[in-house]
Amino acid sequence: AQTVTQSQPEMSVQEAETVTLSCTYDTSESDYYLFWYKQPPSRQMILVIRQEAYKQQNATENRFSVNFQKAAKSFSLKISDSQLGDAAMYFCAYRSAQGGSEKLVFGKGTKLTVNP
Amino acid sequence: KAGVTQTPRYLIKTRGQQVTLSCSPISGHRSVSWYQQTPGQGLQFLFEYFSETQRNKGNFPGRFSGRQFSNSRSEMNVSTLELGDSALYLCASSTRGVGDQKLFFGSGTQLSVL
Repeated sequence: AQTVTQSQPEMSVQEAETVTLSCTYDTSESDYYLFWYKQPPSRQMILVIRQEAYKQQNATENRFSVNFQKAAKSFSLKISDSQLGDAAMYFCAYRSAQGGSEKLVFGKGTKLTVNP
Repeated sequence: KAGVTQTPRYLIKTRGQQVTLSCSPISGHRSVSWYQQTPGQGLQFLFEYFSETQRNKGNFPGRFSGRQFSNSRSEMNVSTLELGDSALYLCASSTRGVGDQKLFFGSGTQLSVL
């Protein structure tokens, strides 16, 4: 079974600074997807960024980028120019590309605080 | 386009009762999946439905069940509620197999069991 580990329960960053959230995962599969989701106090899970395992190029979405290290099974999220609205819980998630299931396996999350 | 709608937002029940939660997916989405979120266990997959058929099921007791209707709306039911069933229940929908297959989540139903 696949597992996802987020080793930082809490992180803080100053507004306009850069922060990196860590995520490692364990799988025996070669083809899969990795995600970062944001959950603000409104509780709605919002997709931040997605990475396909077969792509070597790291995904980027505006101020959000990932460092995907397939051999190390590492998938960190970098937030540049942090804004107050970035404060939220961040979850790393894994999804197999086999079998057609859309099941996500989530890490325990990292609570990000942005200080003005 | 309206997002994923979950009703009710909050629910309070007592042990032994049963509860039904509803999820209306984004228009055009035919796949719906459910997750339970608790402080201790985090986010855990419950089940997923596509074209009114359960495609996958998580490791939950038989008290947890679900179904999907022909209009893609989904319900999940928990019978004989236990204190440990208190959680945020999240629903997600997608186009499954079409396009980028991204999952879109609702804001959840917060269930409290007393």
